[in-house]
Amino acid sequence: DAKTTQPPSMDCAEGRAANLPCNHSTISGNEYVYWYRQIHSQGPQYIIHGLKNNETNEMASLIITEDRKSSTLILPHATLRDTAVYYCIVRVAMDSNYQLIWGAGTKLIIKP
Amino acid sequence: DVKVTQSSRYLVKRTGEKVFLECVQDMDHENMFWYRQDPGLGLRLIYFSYDVKMKEKGDIPEGYSVSREKKERFSLILESASTNQTSMYLCASSLTSGRAEQFFGPGTRLTVL
Repeated sequence: DAKTTQPPSMDCAEGRAANLPCNHSTISGNEYVYWYRQIHSQGPQYIIHGLKNNETNEMASLIITEDRKSSTLILPHATLRDTAVYYCIVRVAMDSNYQLIWGAGTKLIIKP
Repeated sequence: DVKVTQSSRYLVKRTGEKVFLECVQDMDHENMFWYRQDPGLGLRLIYFSYDVKMKEKGDIPEGYSVSREKKERFSLILESASTNQTSMYLCASSLTSGRAEQFFGPGTRLTVL
């Protein structure tokens, strides 16, 4: 079962910051939060991940609340090419390996 | 540049046929994965492999099998295709078990008639 809940869809104006929320209230202390996105007709693409601290890379920023029950992915200056389905995912430990538990995602539409 | 390729983008098969979906990665990754993706359900893990000739069941292995004879190749097999296996199939690979950043192929859209 998915460990995350996301709004099914969101709009954002081109050039503005896109803030995508995610709830993961049952996350355990050693489980990471990952974000991927999937542009139409392509495979998913890794964006960013974090455990407790906020993270930033060339694509996005990830803000994780102190209680770790929710997080927000921020695309600072959204472009039309950022239109995609964004998945918030929890990475769980499975024996000696790890598994990504995917939710249904948020369809983000960037409008000109 | 990282590359995961899948043998077909689109495939149409008949009920009862044996179906092979092939995936190849050129990154020398240890882990490989097969997912299926259905509308509103996100990605569901079918099988994964963390080494040659090793395989582990994911969340929905029923009706599927896999083969990993070489490190770079991971095959998904539908022994007897059924209409409820009509779906998008995605292959992915990752470097090690501790680094779960997965690289995905473009997907194979399988239709079973």
